[in-house]
Formats: sequence, C-alpha cells, structure tokens
Amino acid sequence: DIQMTQSPSSMSASLGDRVTITCRASQDIGNYLSWFQQKPGKSPRRMIYGATNLAAGVPSRFSGSRSGSDYSLTISSLESEDMAIYYCLQSIQYPWTFGGGTKLELK
Amino acid sequence: QVKLLQSGAALVKPGASVKMSCKASGYTFTDYWVSWVKQSHGKSLEWIGEIYPNSGATNFNEKFKGKATLTVDKSTSTAYMELSRLTSEDSAIYYCTREKITPFDYWGQGVMVTVSS
Repeated sequence: DIQMTQSPSSMSASLGDRVTITCRASQDIGNYLSWFQQKPGKSPRRMIYGATNLAAGVPSRFSGSRSGSDYSLTISSLESEDMAIYYCLQSIQYPWTFGGGTKLELK
Repeated sequence: QVKLLQSGAALVKPGASVKMSCKASGYTFTDYWVSWVKQSHGKSLEWIGEIYPNSGATNFNEKFKGKATLTVDKSTSTAYMELSRLTSEDSAIYYCTREKITPFDYWGQGVMVTVSS
C-alpha cells in the first residue's frame, strides 16, 4: 500500500498567517492527490484535487502544490473558519490511502 | 443538488452484522462509483472499498475483504454496505462518498456504528 505521511500532525497559527501542510507519498502518485478538510462532527470536505485544482466553492486563499513526492496545502491568510483537521488522499493505486491528518488550531 | 443521505446510527452486539444505506439524489446514480470510508474515533480515514452501480463492479481494500459487502439498488439509487462478524474494532463512523474522474466531491453525513453487548 502507498503510505501518505503528513506533517506536522498538529500546529497552531494566528489569524492572517500563511500556513502550509505537507504530505509525502511513499511511491510515485503523479498528481493523484486530494486534500480534505474535516471539522468536528462533520463529514470531510474536498478542498483540492489533482494536487493543484481548487474544488468548487473553496475560497481562493487555499492552494495546492507539488514538488516531487511532496505535496502541500497552503492557506495564504488564515481565517477562524479554517480551524479543522486536514487530510491528504492518494487515488492512483488501490487501496486509496489517506494521510494521518494535520490538526490546525488557533494560537 | 447532490445529496448522499445515510441511514441512522446503529448499536449492534458483537458477532452480529449491520447493514447501512446511502441514498443518492441530484445526479445520475449509475455514473459514479460509490466509496465507503471508515473513521474510528479520533483517528484518520480508511478507504474500505467502492462499487460501480451501473455494473456492480467492486474494488476493496484487502483489509476489509470478508468484513464488508457492497451492494446497490439502482431502482432507488441506494448503495448499501453490510459489515459482518462485528467486534469492538468495527465501532466507528462510516461515510459514503462518490467518485467519477476525481475522488470524493460529495459525502454522506456518516453513520455511527457502536459494537457493544
């Protein structure tokens, strides 16, 4: 199975900060990488697909990028509503696998 | 609008089975794969498997083969997942979600399954 290693596992940041979360794949996954946001008691919400494509309805302060086998989710200016757990997902090889999650909290 | 409406929470005894549903609306049910995802309390997400309603074709995470059975009823646009021989390790929230070219753009609200005697 492809392992998706997310870092950090948790972080705190201030409103207005630029925040970057990273996911590293154990094998080549091309651009088959998605990012999801999950708030307490809610279902996951897709934020980014194809490594860099913004999902419908997602604010433009979110972006995705790739550098080799490292994938990043960046929030350009943190807002209070962005506090959540973020997960990456690879969908190039079965079984699809998620990263362990990054919990983003307000400093 | 696209909706995936899941059945309600279940309390089941160890060793029993549970069958949950995911009713799709707002799109052509047979055009999208339906995946099921497990989330144990406080943990990350695990992909269980998927079914293509048009043909009934399935793909599974090896970990869940023999544990999960996926079916669909095209007449009601409903996908089902049955979990068998339940143990405490199966206590979790289970989500259905859909996929076509890109994964998981819409999700159900989740079903909480509690396995307890």
